[in-house]
Amino acid sequence: EAGVAQSPRYKIIEKRQSVAFWCNPISGHATLYWYQQILGQGPKLLIQFQNNGVVDDSQLPKDRFSAERLKGVDSTLKIQPAKLEDSAVYLCASSLDPTLPTNYGYTFGSGTRLTVV
Amino acid sequence: SQKIEQNSEALNIQEGKTATLTCNYTNYSPAYLQWYRQDPGRGPVFLLLIRENEKEKRKERLKVTFDTTLKQSLFHITASQPADSATYLCAPWGYNKLIFGAGTRLAVHP
Repeated sequence: EAGVAQSPRYKIIEKRQSVAFWCNPISGHATLYWYQQILGQGPKLLIQFQNNGVVDDSQLPKDRFSAERLKGVDSTLKIQPAKLEDSAVYLCASSLDPTLPTNYGYTFGSGTRLTVV
Repeated sequence: SQKIEQNSEALNIQEGKTATLTCNYTNYSPAYLQWYRQDPGRGPVFLLLIRENEKEKRKERLKVTFDTTLKQSLFHITASQPADSATYLCAPWGYNKLIFGAGTRLAVHP
């Protein structure tokens, strides 16, 4: 089966500019996640969607970050305006119902490496 | 708040030996715990899931233990190979989300 697709793979922007990332999850996975991974750290959940509804966005800096998942499939994550500390890898993942532990876990994309200069 | 600790220093071992990675967590009781492998420039890849009522889980050369009393999970790779070199992330499930540790980098030398 096809994996989680993300684009672009790399992005370099100046601070205060805006940027958008795109994610296409595994077909049939109702749950979609955006994680931020800063160098040397583990992934940190930014937002979780169940179909096209937001389940958890408690760690999303809502003054500058936004995300949407139209039609319960693709998703975009936007940063506006970007700060230097937003430099990180942004990972998208999808899964079946996360409240039911299975032997499949989350499927991650390869991520978008963002550098803010 | 929840805290997850994994060996911050890289683990260097000789090919053929058993690698043991540690994951300690505090301030919550996860219903299950997952382990992932992450290679440079790639997203994490799911390896194993162990539930709170399971003491041990095996998959090929991998073995995971889960001690809810010690609040600790151990991840073992037996007969390690250079291809096992990667960062391994522990992710307990708590508060309706997976919370990832920072990972331990494993280097297996020929």
